[in-house]
Amino acid sequence: EADIYQTPRYLVIGTGKKITLECSQTMGHDKMYWYQQDPGMELHLIHYSYGVNSTEKGDLSSESTVSRIRTEHFPLTLESARPSHTSQYLCASSEFPQGDNYGYTFGSGTRLTVV
Amino acid sequence: GESVGLHLPTLSVQEGDNSIINCAYSNSASDYFIWYKQESGKGPQFIIDIRSNMDKRQGQRVTVLLNKTVKHLSLQIAATQPGDSAVYFCAEKKGSNYKLTFGKGTLLTVNP
Repeated sequence: EADIYQTPRYLVIGTGKKITLECSQTMGHDKMYWYQQDPGMELHLIHYSYGVNSTEKGDLSSESTVSRIRTEHFPLTLESARPSHTSQYLCASSEFPQGDNYGYTFGSGTRLTVV
Repeated sequence: GESVGLHLPTLSVQEGDNSIINCAYSNSASDYFIWYKQESGKGPQFIIDIRSNMDKRQGQRVTVLLNKTVKHLSLQIAATQPGDSAVYFCAEKKGSNYKLTFGKGTLLTVNP
């Protein structure tokens, strides 16, 4: 069962619209991440956070922004959507270095289409 | 640049056969590796991990092998089942860095 939730699952939106992709986790994890993934392709890190009020840009340049006001919530915002933003966006969280497992727990993703 | 990558983009096997999915990495400082499975329409799911001080780790029907000499990682799936059909990714972590770097996926198709 998922302990990290992303909404919406699918979104089709017009060019120029502002959108926010939601991500929430109930595991109390400090670390959260946003990845962008084109179908069948590798995951590219676009934003991450190591705790409340901490956000960093990832390895792939992105026009999106994020915020981390609460531990459980890590929303991603696009101020003005463009067709080039069409992709799948995956949110993940992690408890490392605590625990035996350094892996991430991923949400089911938001598939965004900008027309 | 340094990256994690996979040798084969697709792998097709018969149900009941064993599958081997390979991954090459180039950063000798990587100290932790993970295999993920991603089914269509879902986020990646953790399968198995291995630290760099090990060369083999076994789970349920899965085994991960790490060869640090040639910087190679493999995932072996025993008695592959149709439910194993998915894209498999390897990922690496370097030292105290909490970020994972993912390689390109391998699509595994299991034929009945």
